[in-house]
Amino acid sequence: GEDVEQSLFLSVREGDSSVINCTYTDSSSTYLYWYKQEPGAGLQLLTYIFSNMDMKQDQRLTVLLNKKDKHLSLRIADTQTGDSAIYFCAERGGGSNYKLTFGKGTLLTVNP
Amino acid sequence: DGGITQSPKYLFRKEGQNVTLSCEQNLNHDAMYWYRQDPGQGLRLIYYSQIVNDFQKGDIAEGYSVSREKKESFPLTVTSAQKNPTAFYLCASVPDRARGELFFGEGSRLTVL
Repeated sequence: GEDVEQSLFLSVREGDSSVINCTYTDSSSTYLYWYKQEPGAGLQLLTYIFSNMDMKQDQRLTVLLNKKDKHLSLRIADTQTGDSAIYFCAERGGGSNYKLTFGKGTLLTVNP
Repeated sequence: DGGITQSPKYLFRKEGQNVTLSCEQNLNHDAMYWYRQDPGQGLRLIYYSQIVNDFQKGDIAEGYSVSREKKESFPLTVTSAQKNPTAFYLCASVPDRARGELFFGEGSRLTVL
């Protein structure tokens, strides 16, 4: 089946940039997403990118997509302690069943 | 306010008992999903429904059952056949069929003693 991989942990200092990386195997991916999960809560959609784009910027968030290498990244500028959470990468393959495949999540810890 | 309501937030049950988790949405979304989350794991798809009175098995459907009698409601039953039912369960719906992103509820944590 399709697979999404991401590193499990990232630790940064407050004010630095954070970069969370993700790789996926489905060459027919149409949309790719980044979600944020705070402790004990559901997942919140941060941003998404369509597969024919290579970059998307939304305030402090920048998404880069390298479709050839099947690599997706999320950059958070000026990281704050409130950004500490688990970040999930997800991809939607071709087809109409709207099934998303999720990575295992990256725990971002922001140190003061 | 529009949203997805999952209840209960926390649930404790004895081994061998069936439990039903509620998921209600007032967003008028057609498609609804159930995912299971375990510590250090991604989300694994249990069941999904694209329309009323229709649903499909996901990747880990064994030991679970669902119904979709109303557009607003997609309850999940965790049966005694599910070997490791202790987990965090997330319900989601799809706001935009073209983009396909999932909109999640706040989750239900089930602990089987």
